[in-house]
Amino acid sequence: GQNIDQPTEMTATEGAIVQINCTYQTSGFNGLFWYQQHAGEAPTFLSYNVLDGLEEKGRFSSFLSRSKGYSYLLLKELQMKDSASYLCAPRYNAGNMLTFGGGTRLMVKP
Amino acid sequence: DADVTQTPRNRITKTGKRIMLECSQTKGHDRMYWYRQDPGLGLQLIYYSFDVKDINKGEISDGYSVSRQAQAKFSLSLESAIPNQTALYFCATSDGTLGGYTFGSGTRLTVV
Repeated sequence: GQNIDQPTEMTATEGAIVQINCTYQTSGFNGLFWYQQHAGEAPTFLSYNVLDGLEEKGRFSSFLSRSKGYSYLLLKELQMKDSASYLCAPRYNAGNMLTFGGGTRLMVKP
Repeated sequence: DADVTQTPRNRITKTGKRIMLECSQTKGHDRMYWYRQDPGLGLQLIYYSFDVKDINKGEISDGYSVSRQAQAKFSLSLESAIPNQTALYFCATSDGTLGGYTFGSGTRLTVV
Protein backbone atom coordinates (compact mmCIF):
# COMPACT_ATOMS: atom_id res chain seq x y z
CA GLY A 1 0.00 0.00 0.00
CA GLN A 2 1.00 3.63 -0.64
CA ASN A 3 3.95 2.41 -2.76
CA ILE A 4 6.31 1.81 0.14
CA ASP A 5 9.69 0.64 -1.06
CA GLN A 6 12.43 -0.73 1.18
CA PRO A 7 15.09 -3.38 0.53
CA THR A 8 14.04 -6.93 1.29
CA GLU A 9 17.26 -8.04 2.94
CA MET A 10 20.55 -6.56 4.16
CA THR A 11 23.60 -8.05 5.78
CA ALA A 12 26.10 -6.21 7.97
CA THR A 13 28.92 -6.97 10.36
CA GLU A 14 28.84 -6.67 14.11
CA GLY A 15 30.12 -3.25 15.19
CA ALA A 16 29.45 -1.65 11.83
CA ILE A 17 26.87 0.93 10.71
CA VAL A 18 23.94 0.14 8.42
CA GLN A 19 21.40 2.39 6.74
CA ILE A 20 17.96 1.09 5.74
CA ASN A 21 16.18 3.25 3.19
CA CYS A 22 12.47 3.68 2.63
CA THR A 23 10.54 5.61 0.00
CA TYR A 24 6.82 6.23 0.12
CA GLN A 25 4.00 8.13 -1.54
CA THR A 26 3.89 11.75 -0.33
CA SER A 27 0.23 12.61 -0.98
CA GLY A 28 -1.61 12.93 2.33
CA PHE A 29 1.51 12.00 4.34
CA ASN A 30 1.70 13.22 7.94
CA GLY A 31 4.46 11.26 9.68
CA LEU A 32 6.58 8.12 9.56
CA PHE A 33 7.31 5.35 12.04
CA TRP A 34 9.99 2.68 12.14
CA TYR A 35 9.30 -0.59 13.92
CA GLN A 36 11.63 -3.46 14.79
CA GLN A 37 10.31 -7.00 14.58
CA HIS A 38 12.22 -10.08 15.71
CA ALA A 39 11.19 -13.32 14.04
CA GLY A 40 7.85 -14.57 15.33
CA GLU A 41 7.41 -11.61 17.67
CA ALA A 42 5.34 -8.43 17.65
CA PRO A 43 6.63 -5.24 16.02
CA THR A 44 7.95 -2.76 18.56
CA PHE A 45 8.25 1.01 18.14
CA LEU A 46 11.69 2.38 17.28
CA SER A 47 11.30 5.92 16.02
CA TYR A 48 8.97 8.58 14.70
CA ASN A 49 9.59 11.49 12.32
CA VAL A 50 7.12 14.18 11.34
CA LEU A 51 9.45 17.05 10.40
CA ASP A 52 12.41 16.98 8.03
CA GLY A 53 15.69 16.04 9.62
CA LEU A 54 17.34 13.55 11.87
CA GLU A 55 15.96 12.10 15.10
CA GLU A 56 18.58 10.37 17.25
CA LYS A 57 17.88 7.85 19.95
CA GLY A 58 20.93 6.04 21.24
CA ARG A 59 22.39 3.74 18.60
CA PHE A 60 19.40 4.30 16.31
CA SER A 61 18.65 7.40 14.23
CA SER A 62 15.95 8.10 11.69
CA PHE A 63 15.90 10.70 8.95
CA LEU A 64 13.01 12.16 6.98
CA SER A 65 12.71 14.23 3.83
CA ARG A 66 9.02 15.02 3.30
CA SER A 67 9.48 16.61 -0.11
CA LYS A 68 11.36 13.58 -1.44
CA GLY A 69 9.15 10.95 0.19
CA TYR A 70 12.28 9.42 1.72
CA SER A 71 13.33 8.15 5.11
CA TYR A 72 16.18 6.08 6.44
CA LEU A 73 16.93 4.24 9.65
CA LEU A 74 20.57 4.29 10.74
CA LEU A 75 21.84 1.66 13.13
CA LYS A 76 25.28 2.20 14.66
CA GLU A 77 27.60 -0.15 16.55
CA LEU A 78 25.62 -3.12 15.34
CA GLN A 79 25.02 -5.95 17.77
CA MET A 80 23.94 -9.50 17.04
CA LYS A 81 20.58 -8.77 18.71
CA ASP A 82 19.88 -6.18 16.01
CA SER A 83 19.22 -9.05 13.59
CA ALA A 84 15.53 -8.49 12.90
CA SER A 85 13.13 -7.06 10.36
CA TYR A 86 12.69 -3.29 10.22
CA LEU A 87 9.33 -1.99 9.09
CA CYS A 88 8.85 1.43 7.54
CA ALA A 89 5.34 2.74 8.26
CA PRO A 90 4.17 6.08 6.88
CA ARG A 91 0.98 7.59 8.28
CA TYR A 92 -1.57 9.33 6.12
CA ASN A 93 -4.24 11.96 6.72
CA ALA A 94 -7.02 9.56 5.74
CA GLY A 95 -7.86 8.36 9.23
CA ASN A 96 -4.32 8.79 10.59
CA MET A 97 -3.68 5.16 9.74
CA LEU A 98 -0.27 3.56 9.29
CA THR A 99 0.64 1.62 6.19
CA PHE A 100 3.38 -0.96 6.57
CA GLY A 101 6.08 -1.76 4.08
CA GLY A 102 7.21 -5.33 3.55
CA GLY A 103 10.11 -4.84 5.93
CA THR A 104 13.86 -5.16 5.59
CA ARG A 105 15.36 -8.26 7.13
CA LEU A 106 18.73 -7.37 8.60
CA MET A 107 21.24 -10.08 9.35
CA VAL A 108 24.16 -9.12 11.56
CA LYS A 109 27.19 -11.38 11.25
CA PRO A 110 30.14 -11.73 13.63
CA ASP B 1 0.27 -7.39 32.28
CA ALA B 2 0.53 -6.70 28.58
CA ASP B 3 -1.29 -3.66 27.18
CA VAL B 4 -2.64 -5.71 24.27
CA THR B 5 -3.38 -9.38 24.90
CA GLN B 6 -4.10 -11.96 22.24
CA THR B 7 -5.49 -15.42 22.83
CA PRO B 8 -4.65 -18.11 21.99
CA ARG B 9 -0.90 -17.73 21.37
CA ASN B 10 -0.83 -20.82 19.19
CA ARG B 11 -3.61 -22.80 17.55
CA ILE B 12 -3.78 -25.74 15.19
CA THR B 13 -7.14 -26.32 13.55
CA LYS B 14 -8.57 -28.43 10.76
CA THR B 15 -9.77 -27.27 7.37
CA GLY B 16 -13.40 -26.19 7.47
CA LYS B 17 -13.51 -25.44 11.18
CA ARG B 18 -14.65 -22.09 12.55
CA ILE B 19 -12.12 -20.42 14.78
CA MET B 20 -12.05 -17.20 16.78
CA LEU B 21 -8.99 -15.21 17.76
CA GLU B 22 -9.43 -12.77 20.59
CA CYS B 23 -7.81 -9.46 21.42
CA SER B 24 -8.24 -7.30 24.49
CA GLN B 25 -6.51 -4.06 25.47
CA THR B 26 -6.02 -1.96 28.58
CA LYS B 27 -4.72 1.15 26.82
CA GLY B 28 -8.12 2.79 26.51
CA HIS B 29 -7.63 3.22 22.77
CA ASP B 30 -10.65 3.60 20.52
CA ARG B 31 -9.04 2.06 17.45
CA MET B 32 -8.22 -1.60 16.98
CA TYR B 33 -6.80 -3.51 14.03
CA TRP B 34 -6.23 -7.07 12.86
CA TYR B 35 -3.23 -7.91 10.69
CA ARG B 36 -1.99 -11.05 9.05
CA GLN B 37 1.69 -11.78 8.45
CA ASP B 38 2.97 -14.59 6.25
CA PRO B 39 6.55 -15.84 6.69
CA GLY B 40 9.09 -13.31 5.48
CA LEU B 41 6.43 -10.83 4.45
CA GLY B 42 4.93 -7.61 5.76
CA LEU B 43 1.72 -6.90 7.62
CA GLN B 44 -1.56 -7.09 5.73
CA LEU B 45 -4.61 -5.35 7.18
CA ILE B 46 -7.65 -7.61 7.56
CA TYR B 47 -10.16 -5.43 9.43
CA TYR B 48 -10.10 -2.31 11.55
CA SER B 49 -12.46 -0.56 13.93
CA PHE B 50 -12.42 3.09 14.94
CA ASP B 51 -14.96 2.59 17.71
CA VAL B 52 -17.49 0.03 18.88
CA LYS B 53 -20.00 0.88 16.15
CA ASP B 54 -17.47 1.30 13.35
CA ILE B 55 -16.05 -1.73 11.50
CA ASN B 56 -14.15 -1.52 8.24
CA LYS B 57 -12.68 -4.02 5.82
CA GLY B 58 -8.97 -3.96 5.15
CA GLU B 59 -7.08 -5.18 2.11
CA ILE B 60 -7.60 -8.93 2.71
CA SER B 61 -10.96 -9.34 4.49
CA ASP B 62 -12.33 -12.26 2.42
CA GLY B 63 -12.79 -15.36 4.58
CA TYR B 64 -12.66 -13.35 7.82
CA SER B 65 -15.17 -11.56 10.03
CA VAL B 66 -14.81 -9.46 13.17
CA SER B 67 -16.77 -8.42 16.23
CA ARG B 68 -16.10 -5.37 18.43
CA GLN B 69 -17.76 -6.46 21.64
CA ALA B 70 -16.56 -3.47 23.66
CA GLN B 71 -14.01 -0.70 23.42
CA ALA B 72 -11.43 -3.09 24.84
CA LYS B 73 -12.26 -6.22 22.84
CA PHE B 74 -11.96 -7.02 19.14
CA SER B 75 -12.30 -10.60 17.88
CA LEU B 76 -11.37 -12.08 14.53
CA SER B 77 -13.17 -15.14 13.17
CA LEU B 78 -12.33 -17.49 10.37
CA GLU B 79 -15.71 -18.86 9.29
CA SER B 80 -14.34 -21.92 7.53
CA ALA B 81 -10.58 -22.19 7.91
CA ILE B 82 -8.45 -23.16 4.93
CA PRO B 83 -4.72 -24.03 4.82
CA ASN B 84 -3.65 -20.79 3.14
CA GLN B 85 -4.91 -18.93 6.20
CA THR B 86 -1.97 -20.41 8.10
CA ALA B 87 -0.12 -17.32 9.30
CA LEU B 88 0.82 -15.14 12.25
CA TYR B 89 -2.03 -12.83 13.27
CA PHE B 90 -1.50 -9.57 15.14
CA CYS B 91 -3.93 -7.30 16.87
CA ALA B 92 -2.96 -3.64 17.31
CA THR B 93 -4.44 -0.53 18.91
CA SER B 94 -4.04 3.21 18.51
CA ASP B 95 -5.62 6.37 19.90
CA GLY B 96 -6.25 7.82 16.45
CA THR B 97 -4.17 10.92 16.96
CA LEU B 98 -0.54 11.29 16.01
CA GLY B 99 0.77 8.29 17.91
CA GLY B 100 1.73 4.89 16.58
CA TYR B 101 0.32 1.44 17.10
CA THR B 102 0.74 -0.96 20.00
CA PHE B 103 0.79 -4.61 18.99
CA GLY B 104 -0.22 -7.77 20.77
CA SER B 105 2.16 -10.71 20.93
CA GLY B 106 0.48 -12.46 18.04
CA THR B 107 -1.40 -15.69 17.43
CA ARG B 108 0.29 -18.36 15.36
CA LEU B 109 -2.45 -20.20 13.48
CA THR B 110 -1.92 -23.41 11.56
CA VAL B 111 -4.72 -24.86 9.43
CA VAL B 112 -4.19 -28.51 8.49
